[in-house]
Amino acid sequence: EVQLVQSGAEVKKPGESLKISCKGSGYKFSSQWIAWVRQMPGKGLEWMGIIYPGDSDTKYSPSFQGQVTISADKSSNTVYLQWSSLKASDSAMYYCAKPLGGWFGFDDWGQGTLVTVSS
Amino acid sequence: DIQLTQSPSFLSAFVGDRVTITCRTSQDIYSYLAWYQQKPGKAPKLLIYAASSLQSGVPPRFSGSGSGTEFTLTISSLQPEDSATYYCQQLYSYPAPLPFGGGTKVEIK
Repeated sequence: EVQLVQSGAEVKKPGESLKISCKGSGYKFSSQWIAWVRQMPGKGLEWMGIIYPGDSDTKYSPSFQGQVTISADKSSNTVYLQWSSLKASDSAMYYCAKPLGGWFGFDDWGQGTLVTVSS
Repeated sequence: DIQLTQSPSFLSAFVGDRVTITCRTSQDIYSYLAWYQQKPGKAPKLLIYAASSLQSGVPPRFSGSGSGTEFTLTISSLQPEDSATYYCQQLYSYPAPLPFGGGTKVEIK
């Protein structure tokens, strides 16, 4: 069974750094892209970026380029999303997701990590 | 980048009604479109891929159609458990970028 298990909720202050994780199991981790998706409170889904754990090839949405860093550790089957200096506007639910295959959409999702940034 | 426009943003319908949601893209994406259902507090769930293929386990009352720049998601007979927000996503640009539509909230009257 494919599983994506995300790290737990975080409460941080503005200016702090943060790294959240998404651990994959039940499939060949290094051979499938993993995406990150943001959902701000009461808002829609925003595609942030995607990484190929096999070679760490990473692509970002223009809206998130330079704002976050996506990385992967294939030895631990884990993908990360990190911020160097959080803002209140980073408060959101963050999901990782794995594609069904190629151009067919994302069929496996993590449970989400809630990030709250408040002074 | 390809833009996606969903309509309506909200709809309210009775159990048993036929419901249609539209997704328009800013350029031709052939059939590289997926539809998702999201319920409050839950991760999105893939319903339809390649514009019209039903994901395994999804009830057959859900169907997708369209190609090019106009796509539809249809619920043939709305059920109480279909109350959710629905999103389209273009996959033509796979692996990136893969934006979503703005979402359609479906409410049961």
